[in-house]
Amino acid sequence: NAGVTQTPKFQVLKTGQSMTLQCAQDMNHEYMSWYRQDPGMGLRLIHYSVGAGITDQGEVPNGYNVSRSTTEDFPLRLLSAAPSQTSVYFCASTQGSEGEQYFGPGTRLTVT
Amino acid sequence: GNSVTQMEGPVTLSEEAFLTINCTYTATGYPSLFWYVQYPGEGLQLLLKATKADDKGSNKGFEATYRKETTSFHLEKGSVQVSDSAVYFCALRRSGAGSYQLTFGKGTKLSVIP
Repeated sequence: NAGVTQTPKFQVLKTGQSMTLQCAQDMNHEYMSWYRQDPGMGLRLIHYSVGAGITDQGEVPNGYNVSRSTTEDFPLRLLSAAPSQTSVYFCASTQGSEGEQYFGPGTRLTVT
Repeated sequence: GNSVTQMEGPVTLSEEAFLTINCTYTATGYPSLFWYVQYPGEGLQLLLKATKADDKGSNKGFEATYRKETTSFHLEKGSVQVSDSAVYFCALRRSGAGSYQLTFGKGTKLSVIP
């Protein structure tokens, strides 16, 4: 049982480039979310999904897009990377509103 | 809106010292409260939780009690080990159906020295 997986683990982009951060879970969880972690800021919610075909914005959605075509996958797209998007990105999933939230290992992104 | 405030770090302790990391929250209703731990280079792991007032969550020697009267959920451990060195996050999840989202504090880095 792999849990929540994220790829890549590290990525360096130039300003203006686009890329997709991948997230997958094999626990059949209905709820998935993306957070970014910045020094002294804790984790801030970017986007979330309560099921296939349903997504919504979190606290800091600007510059990011998401889609949820399957229960398992929840990719995060950076349309035009900016240095302010340098961060560590975590994907998480949970089953039901009372369930434990499981986190992936993170993607460290640097935008130069 | 909901918010979580936890003590600023970093915190440095000697092995076998007593640990307290303060956490207070602002929320309507009766949120669930959590402590997550992040070891170096890893994602977050649930350490303990409490879902109603006066509940005590405990795990791996850590414990925290849900105090509604003081809106607090302080993390304690009687004797820390070097292996407890990590970043600790307090978080809440609001009450009600469909309440999946977590609101996190900024994290407290703990370093335990031999």
